[in-house]
Amino acid sequence: QVQLVQSGAEVKKPGASVKVSCKASGYSFTSYGISWVRQAPGQGLEWMGWISAHNGNTKYAQKLQGRVTITTETSTSTAYMEVRNLRSDDTAVYYCARDWVGDYWGQGTLVIVSS
Amino acid sequence: DIQMTQSPSSLSASVGDRVTITCRASQGINNYLAWFQQKPGKAPKSLIYAASNLQSGVPSKFSGSGSGTDFTLTISSLQPEDFATYYCQQYNSYPFTFGPGTTVDIK
Repeated sequence: QVQLVQSGAEVKKPGASVKVSCKASGYSFTSYGISWVRQAPGQGLEWMGWISAHNGNTKYAQKLQGRVTITTETSTSTAYMEVRNLRSDDTAVYYCARDWVGDYWGQGTLVIVSS
Repeated sequence: DIQMTQSPSSLSASVGDRVTITCRASQGINNYLAWFQQKPGKAPKSLIYAASNLQSGVPSKFSGSGSGTDFTLTISSLQPEDFATYYCQQYNSYPFTFGPGTTVDIK
């Protein structure tokens, strides 16, 4: 069965970086892309970006461009999402989801940014 | 960027009620629209893609319709497990954007 398993919760200081992983199983990893979505406490869903696991092409939300990098490691069927120069408003649960329509989701990774 | 709006923002309904949620895009998105259900503390669950196609395993009480800019999600007979927040998302053009959500709670 398709599964996306994300790395554990992180606590970071402002200005630091965080890298969240998303390990896929149960399907051909390079046949689908991976989307990243985040949700601040008590807020709605925010699309962050997408990567093609086939060729590594990426698309990012404009507001995060320059601070976020999404990558894949096909040998381990894992996608990564890194946010640099963290701010307090980056505190959120970060989700990976399969492809554009998000038919499968990871369990979420809580990232807390606090001094 | 394409802006997505949803109405109502919240609604109270009873078990057995028929519920309809509306999603509107600021410009035409063909039928590149998905619906998600989210319960507190849980990851979103995909319900519908391409405006009207049910994801595998999703019960047929959920249905979607629409094209262009106006879309609806209908739950034909609300059950206790359906009380949740529902989001629409367009994937016609980057950046993909979500609606603000509609919370369905118990009357």
